[in-house]
Amino acid sequence: SQELEQSPQSLIVQEGKNLTINCTSSKTLYGLYWYKQKYGEGLIFLMMLQKGGEEKSHEKITAKLDEKKQQSSLHITASQPSHAGIYLCGADRTGANNLFFGTGTRLTVIP
Amino acid sequence: EPEVTQTPSHQVTQMGQEVILRCVPISNHLYFYWYRQILGQKVEFLVSFYNNEISEKSEIFDDQFSVERPDGSNFTLKIRSTKLEDSAMYFCASSWGQTYSNQPQHFGDGTRLSIL
Repeated sequence: SQELEQSPQSLIVQEGKNLTINCTSSKTLYGLYWYKQKYGEGLIFLMMLQKGGEEKSHEKITAKLDEKKQQSSLHITASQPSHAGIYLCGADRTGANNLFFGTGTRLTVIP
Repeated sequence: EPEVTQTPSHQVTQMGQEVILRCVPISNHLYFYWYRQILGQKVEFLVSFYNNEISEKSEIFDDQFSVERPDGSNFTLKIRSTKLEDSAMYFCASSWGQTYSNQPQHFGDGTRLSIL
């Protein structure tokens, strides 16, 4: 079955530093979604990537999907305490109307 | 910005009892979903719902579970004869279109269900 692996599992950075989170699939992705989850709260939609080589940005967060559509990265520039949380990548199975998720990356930003 | 709202935020129930979790999806959305997240584990799909019927369900969604859209705004998840292993955070989500047409799902803040 298709799985999503995220790395690293946790990340601690100093405020102002850049960071990258990776999401790797065992099979070609149909669509890739990035969400942010604050502890004990819901998932906040960040970005959706569909095409190989696609890149999207929102404020200081940039997400990319590689040409083969098996790996995505999320890059945060000049991190802030407000970026802290758990970042989840999710994908949809071909022909299925549901999402499956990676294990998440816990980001801590130290002021 | 429109939101998915879930009530209650925390539900404590005795094992064996029935529980109903409630959700109000975003008003113009057509597809509705329930997911759950057991503490420390991945978010898992339970069921999707469209046009007043279940469109897909996972292996987790057995006869113990049911969903309903009792009126034009609410979407509920009922769990009968609750078990200790049903303790989890339950998330409701909605989308305008189907996931494989790349319509993002928007999630609520979840209901934390604790079974004693």
